[in-house]
Amino acid sequence: DAGVIQSPRHEVTEMGQEVTLRCKPISGHDYLFWYRQTMMRGLELLIYFNNNVPIDDSGMPEDRFSAKMPNASFSTLKIQPSEPRDSAVYFCASSLGDPQETQYFGPGTRLLVL
Amino acid sequence: SQQGEEDPQALSIQEGENATMNCSYKTSINNLQWYRQNSGRGLVHLILIRSNEREKHSGRLRVTLDTSKKSSSLLITASRAADTASYFCATDDSFGQNFVFGPGTRLSVLP
Repeated sequence: DAGVIQSPRHEVTEMGQEVTLRCKPISGHDYLFWYRQTMMRGLELLIYFNNNVPIDDSGMPEDRFSAKMPNASFSTLKIQPSEPRDSAVYFCASSLGDPQETQYFGPGTRLLVL
Repeated sequence: SQQGEEDPQALSIQEGENATMNCSYKTSINNLQWYRQNSGRGLVHLILIRSNEREKHSGRLRVTLDTSKKSSSLLITASRAADTASYFCATDDSFGQNFVFGPGTRLSVLP
């Protein structure tokens, strides 16, 4: 299995632009998580899905952030409009059967908003 | 407030020595997990320990859990330079929700 796949690996954009991050979970996994990691705030859970349905989005910082999971093999995290404080590494993770079981992380997308 | 917090924040040891990292949390948990993150990479799961377990082993890793003290420790024995990474504990609450990572311990193993 290729593991969790994220794209792009790096993204540099200007303030105000729309940013879309993509994730392909491990096949068969029914939970998908989006995290953000910064030096100041550490690793934060933004949102997670079970069977493509958002379960807990309380970590989403504000309305500029949205996440979708149109099918079991694809999810997006969108930031519109982006701001410099959104600069971070965004990780996607997936797990099987239970949200608190082992999570398998993707390599992350390093986002820089200028 | 943050559920899991690791201590120390940074640890530097010589190759061959043992490394011990601690994690404290505030509320009752269902599971506690330890992850490793190499610089610039995603997190890799190491060990999951359930609230009714006290100790687990995996290779050179030993994890203990003391629910009365709300703390866990990760011991890496006979450390290697390749163990250099950040180590995070992650906890959920007793309902299996509110999954939270601690700020991590940055381990440096010097050759």
